[in-house]
Amino acid sequence: TQLLEQSPQFLSIQEGENLTVYCNSSSVFSSLQWYRQEPGEGPVLLVTVVTGGEVKKLKRLTFQFGDARKDSSLHITAAQPGDTGLYLCAGEFWNQGGKLIFGQGTELSVKP
Amino acid sequence: DAGVTQSPTHLIKTRGQQVTLRCSPISGHKSVSWYQQVLGQGPQFIFQYYEKEERGRGNFPDRFSARQFPNYSSELNVNALLLGDSALYLCASSFSDEKLFFGSGTQLSVL
Repeated sequence: TQLLEQSPQFLSIQEGENLTVYCNSSSVFSSLQWYRQEPGEGPVLLVTVVTGGEVKKLKRLTFQFGDARKDSSLHITAAQPGDTGLYLCAGEFWNQGGKLIFGQGTELSVKP
Repeated sequence: DAGVTQSPTHLIKTRGQQVTLRCSPISGHKSVSWYQQVLGQGPQFIFQYYEKEERGRGNFPDRFSARQFPNYSSELNVNALLLGDSALYLCASSFSDEKLFFGSGTQLSVL
């Protein structure tokens, strides 16, 4: 049973389109992190959200933490080919720093 | 400054063999975590070590073991390898619990 469900698992879009990736759980997390992973590399942290309802922006990427701290979303505006990669959400429970629960990942392909 | 370094980068073993994977954390980081990433899945937590003590263990069989050395580097050992152990093994280090820095991983293939 997957504790964190990510959707969609695969996404292929054209350059300039917008997209949203969802991360859902029945569990409450102390924080939720989003990573991007490229082939042959480890995940790289994009953002950490810690407050229910929190919204963070990183250039064309907007991250939101659900009010109940059970879900999160990543929205990309005007996607570019350089955004191609595997996007992973990861939840952390209180007092379990370093032990992340990852979703299955969303494989994004942005075609020029 | 060097990031998290893992060795070897690739490894091929046969069923029943044993393997040791190595990780050097970022200088100053005292916590090391190990994750297994099967193709098409997100990473799954195996172990965390802090100041040479095991701080957490994921749902993995006893064939998996790890240790952390006085210089904070770490080794992950897997005994009696199974085909299902084929995966990318990721090491992550952190100064605090807030941000993990991942290495590029060791790709293990079990034939």
